[in-house]
Amino acid sequence: DAGVTQSPTHLIKTRGQQVTLRCSPKSGHDTVSWYQQALGQGPQFIFQYYEEEERQRGNFPDRFSGHQFPNYSSELNVNALLLGDSALYLCASSFQSMEAFFGQGTRLTVV
Amino acid sequence: AQSVSQHNHHVILSEAASLELGCNYSYGGTVNLFWYVQYPGQHLQLLLKYFSGDPLVKGIKGFEAEFIKSKFSFNLRKPSVQWSDTAEYFCAPSSGGSYIPTFGRGTSLIVHP
Repeated sequence: DAGVTQSPTHLIKTRGQQVTLRCSPKSGHDTVSWYQQALGQGPQFIFQYYEEEERQRGNFPDRFSGHQFPNYSSELNVNALLLGDSALYLCASSFQSMEAFFGQGTRLTVV
Repeated sequence: AQSVSQHNHHVILSEAASLELGCNYSYGGTVNLFWYVQYPGQHLQLLLKYFSGDPLVKGIKGFEAEFIKSKFSFNLRKPSVQWSDTAEYFCAPSSGGSYIPTFGRGTSLIVHP
């Protein structure tokens, strides 16, 4: 049974560009959450998707947007990248709001 | 505002020493409590959780945590650490309705053999 998978594992982008990160949830899970983890910090909640809608959002600007597909997979989009967006982006999936299982993350570097 | 505080950012122990990592939160109402662990090069894993019932919860690999409601605390303990416990530990409470954990800054634990 595959766990949460994220792609790509590493990514380098230039300031001002746009990026799309992808997440496939654990089998049987219907809820996907995205987190940003800066170096030396704990993960910060970006938003959560359930039934293809954004259900809850953390304190992140509108440059951060997402999508959930009918198969429960999800994308995180970040527009107009800033140097400060460099971080590890984590996807977590869960079933009906129970405990979250995390993927290995996508390391985004903005130069 | 909801917040979580982990008191120890870096802890260094020798094998067989006892461990206690502090966690305090400020949440109103019902709270769910989690401890996650991140071993070097691996993804975040759930160590243990508390939703309700017995405030002393046991997790994987000999870890346990005690929920003390009056102190808004959920401290993690292990009687005797091993070298393989070297990892980053995160306390992560969530309000009862959302199950979206809010992570603390984390504690880096290094265990010397």
